[in-house]
Amino acid sequence: RKEVEQDPGPFNVPEGATVAFNCTYSNSASQSFFWYRQDCRKEPKLLMSVYSSGNEDGRFTAQLNRASQYISLLIRDSKLSDSATYLCVYHNQAGTALIFGKGTTLSVSS
Amino acid sequence: DVKVTQSSRYLVKRTGEKVFLECVQDMDHENMFWYRQDPGLGLRLIYFSYDVKMKEKGDIPEGYSVSREKKERFSLILESASTNQTSMYLCATTEQGNYGYTFGSGTRLTVV
Repeated sequence: RKEVEQDPGPFNVPEGATVAFNCTYSNSASQSFFWYRQDCRKEPKLLMSVYSSGNEDGRFTAQLNRASQYISLLIRDSKLSDSATYLCVYHNQAGTALIFGKGTTLSVSS
Repeated sequence: DVKVTQSSRYLVKRTGEKVFLECVQDMDHENMFWYRQDPGLGLRLIYFSYDVKMKEKGDIPEGYSVSREKKERFSLILESASTNQTSMYLCATTEQGNYGYTFGSGTRLTVV
């Protein structure tokens, strides 16, 4: 099993749509999970941490399912500005560094 | 906000040259990391450091070395640049603990 797997997309959705991304990970002992956003030719930026209880930040909701080893990101009421690549991220087995997924590309159109 | 500064945005070097990529952070964070990012391969960890003069190999350290003489500065060194080291290089920093990283804006290195 690859360390972290994401559907690369692209996901092409109209403005206002709800879109969800899933990501599976291999290290069952990992304690920390994140979603990062990366715009074209820019550095990744932290979007949100993912907690076992789930967490919400405005239009964004992140969930963690430890039993099935996946995390998800839900974006409601998509905006044009949400167009980006979303990276699923978690700590490696040693807990010393973050492992990044290859990303899921979202394109929101008017 | 943490500021992570990478010395060059774009760099072109010749095969065989010794290349230095510099990264400076202003928030007194202990942990610093170097990644490279390539299309279809995502971000891959080259080296990281948890303290001054301390370094650990990441997943792809071959052909690279690092230096951390001061807490705020973490340098990536390509001893003899090769064309397969053409890539986007990203420096990141974080506090101790399970926090997310803050990245620099990246250095796009082309080796010709």
